[in-house]
Amino acid sequence: GQQLNQSPQSMFIQEGEDVSMNCTSSSIFNTWLWYKQDPGEGPVLLIALYKAGELTSNGRLTAQFGITRKDSFLNISASIPSDVGIYFCAGHSTQGGSEKLVFGKGTKLTVNP
Amino acid sequence: KAGVTQTPRYLIKTRGQQVTLSCSPISGHRSVSWYQQTPGQGLQFLFEYFSETQRNKGNFPGRFSGRQFSNSRSEMNVSTLELGDSALYLCASSGGIGEETQYFGPGTRLLVL
Repeated sequence: GQQLNQSPQSMFIQEGEDVSMNCTSSSIFNTWLWYKQDPGEGPVLLIALYKAGELTSNGRLTAQFGITRKDSFLNISASIPSDVGIYFCAGHSTQGGSEKLVFGKGTKLTVNP
Repeated sequence: KAGVTQTPRYLIKTRGQQVTLSCSPISGHRSVSWYQQTPGQGLQFLFEYFSETQRNKGNFPGRFSGRQFSNSRSEMNVSTLELGDSALYLCASSGGIGEETQYFGPGTRLLVL
């Protein structure tokens, strides 16, 4: 079935550093979504990407929809302690006639003040 | 607009019991998806309902079932609970066909003893 490879699995950084994480797949997706999840809460949508090549920013966050439609990355600039959490990528496809959202396994971010 | 709501937030059950979880989507959203999240397996898709019909189904045993009502509210039921069913159960809503961006609720934390 479709799978998303999200990397890195975890990151330990100092406050103020920039962060980059990405998702790749052998399958093509129509939409890429990035979520952040705090402990005990549901994932919160950060950025949605709908077109290949699209580059979108949300404050200190920037995400891109890869031109091949098989990958996406998320950058966080000038990290702060509240950026701590698990970041998930998700790809939406209509493979096989059924719509499906596939999730990566997450990147756990720790920010040291 | 109010976000996705889930009730209850926390639940403790014993093996063999059954449980029903509820999800109210964002007003106007017609699609509701359910996910199981565990530390080892990440987010796993259970099923999706659209206009009271199950549109997609993940690879879970028949003990897991769901339904959607005419007002788009959804319930999921797990019968004959097992210890391994302990997890965070997340509900996400989206507009439906062509509007695939999913917005998550806070989740229901289920503990099976």
